[in-house]
Amino acid sequence: IAGITQAPTSQILAAGRRMTLRCTQDMRHNAMYWYRQDLGLGLRLIHYSNTAGTTGKGEVPDGYSVSRANTDDFPLTLASAVPSQTSVYFCASRDRASTDTQYFGPGTRLTVL
Amino acid sequence: GQQVMQIPQYQHVQEGEDFTTYCNSSTTLSNIQWYKQRPGGHPVFLIQLVKSGEVKKQKRLTFQFGEAKKNSSLHITATQTTDVGTYFCAPNFGNEKLTFGTGTRLTIIP
Repeated sequence: IAGITQAPTSQILAAGRRMTLRCTQDMRHNAMYWYRQDLGLGLRLIHYSNTAGTTGKGEVPDGYSVSRANTDDFPLTLASAVPSQTSVYFCASRDRASTDTQYFGPGTRLTVL
Repeated sequence: GQQVMQIPQYQHVQEGEDFTTYCNSSTTLSNIQWYKQRPGGHPVFLIQLVKSGEVKKQKRLTFQFGEAKKNSSLHITATQTTDVGTYFCAPNFGNEKLTFGTGTRLTIIP
């Protein structure tokens, strides 16, 4: 069982380019989340999805979009990257059926130049 | 808005000393979770507190949830080098979003 995987591990991107960060979980959790982590600011919620077919906005959604076509995948897209989107991005899924625990992926380190 | 303050932001302790981080909310919480993130790693779930006044222990870690369900703390007794990392609280305000405190970064002086 892999848990949650994210790809790529890291990426350097030119400003203005489009980028999709991939997230896949094999635990059949209904809820999934995207966070960005910046020094001194902790983890900030970008978008979330309570179940396949639904999505919602978090604290910092501007410049990002998500989709949830199925239970396992929750990609995050930057339509036109800007330097302020340089960050470490974590995907997470939540076991709301039992322990309510969130499980995090290993993260994607994104640098926008 | 629904916000939580986590203090301190940084804590440096001598190995063997105790450590405490606090999470304070202005509104009542449904529950609160605590996570640990090792340097270069991802957050890992530690515990969830649900009941008013709840106290839970995991070896040298003691977690408390205030009577009013607005405050929580994590206390580590006799810190070890393996305790290094950032500790986050994740308050649940009863909605679908799970947000995090800003974290307390713990460093240990050997």
